[in-house]
Amino acid sequence: DTAVSQTPKYLVTQMGNDKSIKCEQNLGHDTMYWYKQDSKKFLKIMFSYNNKELIINETVPNRFSPKSPDKAHLNLHINSLELGDSAVYFCASSRDPTNSPLHFGNGTRLTVT
Amino acid sequence: RKEVEQDPGPFNVPEGATVAFNCTYSNSASQSFFWYRQDCRKEPKLLMSVYSSGNEDGRFTAQLNRASQYISLLIRDSKLSDSATYLCVVGVAAGNKLTFGGGTRVLVKP
Repeated sequence: DTAVSQTPKYLVTQMGNDKSIKCEQNLGHDTMYWYKQDSKKFLKIMFSYNNKELIINETVPNRFSPKSPDKAHLNLHINSLELGDSAVYFCASSRDPTNSPLHFGNGTRLTVT
Repeated sequence: RKEVEQDPGPFNVPEGATVAFNCTYSNSASQSFFWYRQDCRKEPKLLMSVYSSGNEDGRFTAQLNRASQYISLLIRDSKLSDSATYLCVVGVAAGNKLTFGGGTRVLVKP
C-alpha cells in the first residue's frame, strides 16, 4: 500500500502547455506539501496545506496553483509551462506542519522542451 | 546566511570506517530536527528524528547542539549501501515550515 502516491512519474511537455500533477496520501495526515527539487538538488517548499487550508505559499509564480479538494489530496496545476519549470516535484504529507516528519511521494520528473 | 546549511561533500569513506558531518541552522527558535536520506533519482526518506538528548539507531547517531545551533550525524561501520545524500531538516513553529539543507553526499568505497 503506497502511503503517498503522485502521478504521473514522468511528464514531458512543450513550453506554453498547461499540466497537472496529482497527489494522494492514505496516512490520515492533516498536512500536505509540494516541494521542488531543481538540477542542483535543492529541495524548496512551494506550498503547504493544513486541513485543506493553504498555510504556506512561498515565492512561486502564480502560474502554479495548488488545489486541495480534501485532506487526502493535493494537486498541482501549472499554466504556461516554461523551460525553467523543469525539475522534480515531490508531494509530501505529515501529521502536523512543523514537528512531524515528512513522508514523500516518489516524485514527478517534469521536462519542459 | 542560509537558514539551513550543510557541507555538500562528497565525503569519500572507506567501507567499515566512521564518518560524521554537521548541519547548521540560523533560527534559534528551531524546534524540530530530522535527518533524511536521498538516493539518486529517488524521494527523500526519513532516516531519524533528532532529539535534544541525542539518539542512536543502529549504526547511526544523531546529536543536537542548541548552543552552537547545529545537528550532526555519525555513521559507524559504513556499508556500501550507505552511499547517498543526507539531508537535514529543521522545523520552526512560527511559519509552519520545515526547511531542508542542501544535502551532504557520502560515497562509501570498498
